[in-house]
Amino acid sequence: SQQGEEDPQALSIQEGENATMNCSYKTSINNLQWYRQNSGRGLVHLILIRSNEREKHSGRLRVTLDTSKKSSSLLITASRAADTASYFCATDGGKLIFGQGTELSVKP
Amino acid sequence: EAQVTQNPRYLITVTGKKLTVTCSQNMNHEYMSWYRQDPGLGLRQIYYSMNVEVTDKGDVPEGYKVSRKEKRNFPLILESPSPNQTSLYFCASSKGQGRVQPQHFGDGTRLSIL
Repeated sequence: SQQGEEDPQALSIQEGENATMNCSYKTSINNLQWYRQNSGRGLVHLILIRSNEREKHSGRLRVTLDTSKKSSSLLITASRAADTASYFCATDGGKLIFGQGTELSVKP
Repeated sequence: EAQVTQNPRYLITVTGKKLTVTCSQNMNHEYMSWYRQDPGLGLRQIYYSMNVEVTDKGDVPEGYKVSRKEKRNFPLILESPSPNQTSLYFCASSKGQGRVQPQHFGDGTRLSIL
């Protein structure tokens, strides 16, 4: 059964706007990771947040984790056209399971 | 440069003709794994390896074989490919136990089985 599910499936914004993607999961986890996939390329690790952490920052990325709601969000601030990609959460609840991803399109 | 290298990047072949997709990493990682990515199904793990000579099944292992004779290499073997194995395949590696560490992915191999 699928663990992480991203929402929305697709998101289209203008350059400079913020983009928020959500990930919900069903069982308890040890950590949650976010990845980016550019078209035709492999996934690239963005950030890992552990179950005892609530928020983590990396450059323009902000990730939150709410274990009581079994959800996480990825916020990209001041988006750029180069942020156009698919974004995946991966949950570790004993094995690493990837969600189906959110397709982000940032228009110049 | 730290990388995971897959070959070939693209392959069109026919049902039943054995093929091997190679994967090599230069980061001295213990953990390596193979995924397939299909529309609507996301990434699903095929096989993984915790270290040399240690391999285990993932979620969709049927029709695939792997081996881990050396730390850097983790080939994926399709002994008798079928059309339902047409997919985009990714190899990944990481330190230690794997699932608690960031995964480093190759650029993928697009297989078409006719």
